[in-house]
Amino acid sequence: EAAVTQSPRSKVAVTGGKVTLSCHQTNNHDYMYWYRQDTGHGLRLIHYSYVADSTEKGDIPDGYKASRPSQENFSLILELASLSQTAVYFCASSEDKSQNTLYFGAGTRLSVL
Amino acid sequence: QEKVQQSPESLIVPEGAMVSLNCSFSDSASQSIWWYQQHPGKGPKALISIFSNGNKKEGRLTVYLNRASLHVSLHIKDSQPSDSAVYLCAVGITGNTGKLIFGLGTTLQVQP
Repeated sequence: EAAVTQSPRSKVAVTGGKVTLSCHQTNNHDYMYWYRQDTGHGLRLIHYSYVADSTEKGDIPDGYKASRPSQENFSLILELASLSQTAVYFCASSEDKSQNTLYFGAGTRLSVL
Repeated sequence: QEKVQQSPESLIVPEGAMVSLNCSFSDSASQSIWWYQQHPGKGPKALISIFSNGNKKEGRLTVYLNRASLHVSLHIKDSQPSDSAVYLCAVGITGNTGKLIFGLGTTLQVQP
């Protein structure tokens, strides 16, 4: 089965600090995604990528940057963390755009204090 | 922007019951409809998908899609305590991103 690994699994950050969330997939998938999950909002797409060294904005990209240095790795960067970015973050991969089968990691619980 | 709404918000059933979950969406041109299962502290896992009008059955799961009424339903036969989870409906967006729009989910509890 497809494997997507996220690190760290949980993190506490201070307001204004820099946070980097990492994602690694061993599925040889081209597409990778970052979603956040909040009570009352569900899963919302932040950034995605369909090829190394290129990223695209999702539905809620403000305050986030993404980096795809290789096919296997996809990072989400919060340059200046804010209280409103407290959430659970999920990384996912998919083989191609047509199938839409997303394979999710276990998530990173981020608390910004 | 595509909107996905699910009902009910939560559901408690006895073991062995048939479970019916509902999802409505706003764009009849959406590519695909997916159901994902999410257990506490875990990432969502794809269960079943449907692309064309009609129904599709996989094991204890059956999904019905009616594009004219913008409605899809998931039915779980002979529910088990291990089916207790949040069920997310997701709609594939027409285009070339592979993006999915998710509903808020239905929390299912199956009591032994």
